[in-house]
Amino acid sequence: AQTVTQSQPEMSVQEAETVTLSCTYDTSESNYYLFWYKQPPSRQMILVIRQEAYKQQNATENRFSVNFQKAAKSFSLKISDSQLGDTAMYFCAFSGNTPLVFGKGTRLSVIA
Amino acid sequence: GAVVSQHPSWVICKSGTSVKIECRSLDFQATTMFWYRQFPKQSLMLMATSNEGSKATYEQGVEKDKFLINHASLTLSTLTVTSAHPEDSSFYICSARPGQGREEAFFGQGTRLTVV
Repeated sequence: AQTVTQSQPEMSVQEAETVTLSCTYDTSESNYYLFWYKQPPSRQMILVIRQEAYKQQNATENRFSVNFQKAAKSFSLKISDSQLGDTAMYFCAFSGNTPLVFGKGTRLSVIA
Repeated sequence: GAVVSQHPSWVICKSGTSVKIECRSLDFQATTMFWYRQFPKQSLMLMATSNEGSKATYEQGVEKDKFLINHASLTLSTLTVTSAHPEDSSFYICSARPGQGREEAFFGQGTRLTVV
């Protein structure tokens, strides 16, 4: 079975600084997707970024980028120029032959 | 992105009553929808996979008779919490994928259920 591990329960970052959230996963599948979702206090799940496993190039969405290391099964999220609105829970998720599998989440606080 | 609408956003009910939560895909058809439960400060726990026109697939430990799922159309799935008890109080979230593959899922706004 697939597992997703987020080893940082909580993190904080100063406004305008850069922060990296870690995620590792375990799977025997070769064709899959990885996602980072954001859950702000409203609790609405928002897709931040996606990565297809067959693509070597790391995905980027404005201030958000990933470092995808397929061999190491690592999928970290980098947030540049952090903003107060980035304060939220961040979940790493794996999508393969089964429904989405989520990590336990990292609570990110952006400090003014 | 695709839009998933969940209703109601919050509900309070008395112990022993049943509550129905609706999940609609507004701009796409979804043959499969997913129901999650989330406890405070925890991750999403998959309860069941809702399949249009057939029975739902429940995760281990989830009571089928307690959490009734109906997926009667390609845009609507419902979760009914039957004979609710205070321990059923939680945040319930649905999601759906526009495609058949492994692409991202889109989520409803969630429903906060409080059983008193």
